Amino acid sequence: AQSVTQLGSHVSVSEGALVLLRCNYSSSVPPYLFWYVQYPNQGLQLLLKYTSAATLVKGINGFEAEFKKSETSFHLTKPSAHMSDAAEYFCAVSVATSGTYKYIFGTGTRLKVLA
Amino acid sequence: KAGVTQTPRYLIKTRGQQVTLSCSPISGHRSVSWYQQTPGQGLQFLFEYFSETQRNKGNFPGRFSGRQFSNSRSEMNVSTLELGDSALYLCATGAGGLGTDTQYFGPGTRLTVL
Repeated sequence: AQSVTQLGSHVSVSEGALVLLRCNYSSSVPPYLFWYVQYPNQGLQLLLKYTSAATLVKGINGFEAEFKKSETSFHLTKPSAHMSDAAEYFCAVSVATSGTYKYIFGTGTRLKVLA
Repeated sequence: KAGVTQTPRYLIKTRGQQVTLSCSPISGHRSVSWYQQTPGQGLQFLFEYFSETQRNKGNFPGRFSGRQFSNSRSEMNVSTLELGDSALYLCATGAGGLGTDTQYFGPGTRLTVL
């Protein structure tokens, strides 16, 4: 069965430091992968998605992620953290089921940015 | 383009009652999915509707049900509420049908069961 694992439920970085949020997936077929961000009291917002085109995907707010098939990973990075990046981040995989697709989400990583 | 709308934003109910939540999708979106979000379980898929038909269902008891109307608006109903049903309920809408579809989330309805 397809699944998504996010390592680290909480990550703290200093403002200006590199952000690295980890996501590993298991899938028997090439996956469609997504990163979403959730700010307090809001729904989820798409940061970026991998759809089997370029393996390095650039998203909004300076985030990017690299699909590595050999490592079954889709880690999210940002070169320099900003205070406004503090939020919860979710990795998700889209899986085919019963003639359609559904999302499976990881358990989320809460990012804290220290001044 | 207006975003996904969920009403109400907050609800307080007591055990045993029932509740109905509403989701209005982005114009043109025919797929509506519902998720339950709790601190312990994360985001759990409830079900998905497309063109008024339930297309996918998660592992929730029959107390959780939904429907979709011809204008793609969707409602979710929870009967005989339990304390464990306290959660943020999110709906997400999309064009529907492709694995690459982006899901657009509403702000959620926070349900508290006392």
